[in-house]
Amino acid sequence: GAVVSQHPSWVICKSGTSVKIECRSLDFQATTMFWYRQFPKQSLMLMATSNEGSKATYEQGVEKDKFLINHASLTLSTLTVTSAHPEDSSFYICSARPAGGPLYNEQFFGPGTRLTVL
Amino acid sequence: SQQGEEDPQALSIQEGENATMNCSYKTSINNLQWYRQNSGRGLVHLILIRSNEREKHSGRLRVTLDTSKKSSSLLITASRAADTASYFCATAPNSGNTPLVFGKGTRLSVIA
Repeated sequence: GAVVSQHPSWVICKSGTSVKIECRSLDFQATTMFWYRQFPKQSLMLMATSNEGSKATYEQGVEKDKFLINHASLTLSTLTVTSAHPEDSSFYICSARPAGGPLYNEQFFGPGTRLTVL
Repeated sequence: SQQGEEDPQALSIQEGENATMNCSYKTSINNLQWYRQNSGRGLVHLILIRSNEREKHSGRLRVTLDTSKKSSSLLITASRAADTASYFCATAPNSGNTPLVFGKGTRLSVIA
């Protein structure tokens, strides 16, 4: 149990286009999902906290108009990178926290999405 | 923001040797977790140790936690080439619905 999926697993796009990444909790409901970004040879940096039915909370330095987050259901959060540029190329990882139950305090990570912007 | 600091940043050992990685953090925590990440891949959860625990074992892994020093260590015994990866500690803060905060990681190379 507690599986999180991401789609796509990798994407290559041209500069200026928008890319949507989906994060799904497959066997549990998640009121909160988190989006992280990881540049090569670096650690995971939290970008934003996504709450079902409300606006996301962004970390300092992360542009909310560039990284649009929608958490429309208890099992799905999407991250849209708008007008992508080469510097947005990175590994994007989501995680989900169960809405309740014995695993409430834990986070479960998706496999990540590698974005390459040409 | 990153709270954990791992050391060393990189570690190279021979197969069969033990590998020790350390993690320090700044604020009080509910638990501390260790993850492994192979190059270009997702995270693999290794072990979770709660703030009221001092040591935990899982196979060849041994994790210690010293909350008074705000530090943790991960020991991998009898290392194998397949253990080559980056290892991250992540802390779960005490307060509410807050995300895991990752350290900078240690890149471990196990040479056959």
